[in-house]
Amino acid sequence: EPEVTQTPSHQVTQMGQEVILRCVPISNHLYFYWYRQILGQKVEFLVSFYNNEISEKSEIFDDQFSVERPDGSNFTLKIRSTKLEDSAMYFCASRLPGYTQYFGPGTRLTVL
Amino acid sequence: GQQVMQIPQYQHVQEGEDFTTYCNSSTTLSNIQWYKQRPGGHPVFLIQLVKSGEVKKQKRLTFQFGEAKKNSSLHITATQTTDVGTYFCALNTGTASKLTFGTGTRLQVTL
Repeated sequence: EPEVTQTPSHQVTQMGQEVILRCVPISNHLYFYWYRQILGQKVEFLVSFYNNEISEKSEIFDDQFSVERPDGSNFTLKIRSTKLEDSAMYFCASRLPGYTQYFGPGTRLTVL
Repeated sequence: GQQVMQIPQYQHVQEGEDFTTYCNSSTTLSNIQWYKQRPGGHPVFLIQLVKSGEVKKQKRLTFQFGEAKKNSSLHITATQTTDVGTYFCALNTGTASKLTFGTGTRLQVTL
């Protein structure tokens, strides 16, 4: 069964450093999402991406965040200058029109 | 935006006991989805409810959507240790169909 993959599974970085989280959505999916989950809390929407542009973003997704689909398979989330409060699990998800979202296994980001 | 609250926050049951989690909104919902997240895992889609009063079953799991479409419940009959995890309700909203998750109910099952 096709699945969303994410790399790395765990990323440790120093405060102020840039990080790029990578996702490979399911191959024929058209809508792509990033969510985050701070330890012990609910899953929060960050951004959605369709037709090579952001279709919606949350208040969390400020100027420090950006997304890109550099080629036909990868979907990346960049955090320009990480803060301690960016420590969380980041999930990528993808879907077909009219269908439910499939989540990747997540990247655990730890900012020291 | 729309928000949903879930109760209880945490439930600990003995294997074989039943379990119910409730999802409540102050506004009418167009639909509601349920997800399960195993410890250390990612959310996995369980079901979507759309119609008022809708009831759907998946083996030991029963999902209900309230008549007023402001609340929903997930009931597990005769829990097993494999049911351990956090159960989230979620709203599918916006032009991009983003998911707005509830606060979740963490279920612990012991023998």
